[in-house]
Amino acid sequence: DAGVTQSPTHLIKTRGQQVTLRCSPKSGHDTVSWYQQALGQGPQFIFQYYEEEERQRGNFPDRFSGHQFPNYSSELNVNALLLGDSALYLCASSLVGLSEQYFGPGTRLTVT
Amino acid sequence: AQTVTQSQPEMSVQEAETVTLSCTYDTSENNYYLFWYKQPPSRQMILVIRQEAYKQQNATENRFSVNFQKAAKSFSLKISDSQLGDTAMYFCAYSRGSGAGSYQLTFGKGTKLSVIP
Repeated sequence: DAGVTQSPTHLIKTRGQQVTLRCSPKSGHDTVSWYQQALGQGPQFIFQYYEEEERQRGNFPDRFSGHQFPNYSSELNVNALLLGDSALYLCASSLVGLSEQYFGPGTRLTVT
Repeated sequence: AQTVTQSQPEMSVQEAETVTLSCTYDTSENNYYLFWYKQPPSRQMILVIRQEAYKQQNATENRFSVNFQKAAKSFSLKISDSQLGDTAMYFCAYSRGSGAGSYQLTFGKGTKLSVIP
């Protein structure tokens, strides 16, 4: 049973660039959530996708956008990167209506 | 807004001993869930244990158990017979069970646990 997978593992970008991170949910799951974890902090909720629509959004600017595909996989896009966007980006999947979320290994984004 | 507070930034425990990690939360909801997640240095966040607010019985998973005090809004994690593999960051998390914002996790800042051989 495949767990949550994310790609790439690491990414280095320059300030002002755009980045796309990818996530495949655990087999059988239909809901994907994205979190940003700054160094030494707990993860912060960015948004959640279900049925290819953004269902919930945390306190993040519009530079952060996402997409969910018919196979439930998801992308996180960040435009106009800032140094403060450097963080570990975690994807979590779940089954709609259930509380347990299962996390992927994360993508470490460094903005220089 | 819901908040989760972990007041112990770091803790250590001898191998085979018992340790308790503290967590308090603030909410006006009645329907919610509480979680403990473990994040080892490999950084993969692993669900340790889950508690439903409407259940009075404390959740247990093998060596891990919680002490859920709903009135006090306290949710501590007890690890018995600590093992070297328990060394990790531990995060307490909260999610609403229904309505707007349901199932989005709010995390505390974490407690770094070191198990000493």
